[in-house]
Amino acid sequence: DAKTTQPNSMESNEEEPVHLPCNHSTISGTDYIHWYRQLPSQGPEYVIHGLTSNVNNRMASLAIAEDRKSSTLILHRATLRDAAVYYCILHFSGGYNKLIFGAGTRLAVHP
Amino acid sequence: DTAVSQTPKYLVTQMGNDKSIKCEQNLGHDTMYWYKQDSKKFLKIMFSYNNKELIINETVPNRFSPKSPDKAHLNLHINSLELGDSAVYFCASSPGQNEKLFFGSGTQLSVL
Repeated sequence: DAKTTQPNSMESNEEEPVHLPCNHSTISGTDYIHWYRQLPSQGPEYVIHGLTSNVNNRMASLAIAEDRKSSTLILHRATLRDAAVYYCILHFSGGYNKLIFGAGTRLAVHP
Repeated sequence: DTAVSQTPKYLVTQMGNDKSIKCEQNLGHDTMYWYKQDSKKFLKIMFSYNNKELIINETVPNRFSPKSPDKAHLNLHINSLELGDSAVYFCASSPGQNEKLFFGSGTQLSVL
């Protein structure tokens, strides 16, 4: 399974944008890039996913590098509720749904 | 309405006991999963069922036995509990085998 690398932790101030990086240099052509987050004492929650093009939804934006070896999750205006562990995961589209979670990035948001 | 619900939320038990965790989803999904999150917070897949058929079994000790009586339920039975089984267990479901997962809120198992 292809691996992702994320910073252990990041900090942000409330109402500022947050850019969460993820490196996935061994990504294959059929791997989708998924992001989940886990709020304290809750189960993981789907955030966004993409293959090649940048993606936007109500929660966040996903910017994917042209060579697909890295991506960035963008929270446009961080709120205190966005404090969570964010996981970047590669998902092979042709196989069973076996998401491999890494250590993720713990995001702290300051008032 | 809770989409993926697990019971109990907390489970404290003695070594050697047998216990079950129940999971139900009301999303009409075909695929359900069990994940384990250990003390280091790594989430690891244990099992996956698609339409009541086991499709993923990730080298989990055979003391762990999942059972899917129907598409909406995936229960986890654990025999002869050990200290190392202490963790948070998450149930999840997805519409199909390659789609996004919806997780329950977890069951914190403590084996004393």
